[in-house]
Amino acid sequence: GENVEQHPSTLSVQEGDSAVIKCTYSDSASNYFPWYKQELGKGPQLIIDIRSNVGEKKDQRIAVTLNKTAKHFSLHITETQPEDSAVYFCAAQGAGTNAGKSTFGDGTTLTVKP
Amino acid sequence: NAGVTQTPKFQVLKTGQSMTLQCAQDMNHNSMYWYRQDPGMGLRLIYYSASEGTTDKGEVPNGYNVSRLNKREFSLRLESAAPSQTSVYFCASSETQGGTIYFGEGSWLTVV
Repeated sequence: GENVEQHPSTLSVQEGDSAVIKCTYSDSASNYFPWYKQELGKGPQLIIDIRSNVGEKKDQRIAVTLNKTAKHFSLHITETQPEDSAVYFCAAQGAGTNAGKSTFGDGTTLTVKP
Repeated sequence: NAGVTQTPKFQVLKTGQSMTLQCAQDMNHNSMYWYRQDPGMGLRLIYYSASEGTTDKGEVPNGYNVSRLNKREFSLRLESAAPSQTSVYFCASSETQGGTIYFGEGSWLTVV
């Protein structure tokens, strides 16, 4: 099955700095890569996603890049703010019979210091 | 705009007791899921239902059963709770299999 590794497990940055979280996946058939933000006591919420036919996607201060050859994808947050502090999860979703079966990374706890 | 609603939010069970977690979505989604989240282990899929009338095992199905009652509702049952089932449980749904997944707020379950 799919295996997703996420690094780092914790990340602390100063307000205004950039934050980068990286994930690798094992199944070359995976074709959808969402990123979720989970605030304390809440369920994960989708913040950005990318499909395997696209190399980069940007939404304001958030961007995701995908390298299919190397099987890794990254989340980039620029100009971080205290409200960006949360746990971030990457996921890889399969195709065909594995469609809908998302495999999640173990999460990154991001702390943005004012 | 409720999205995915799950109940109860908190529950304490004794070992061996049974209980059912309820989940409903109002987005007319075809696919529904149950995940568990343990510290440092991310989210693991317990069971999913690709469409009304179908259910399939996920990564960690042992000790659980599910029922897709109708298109809106997908319940998770613990027949004989064990301390290893202490976790946060999330119900989720997507329009189609492979689509964006929307999560509920979570149910905190403690088995003593």
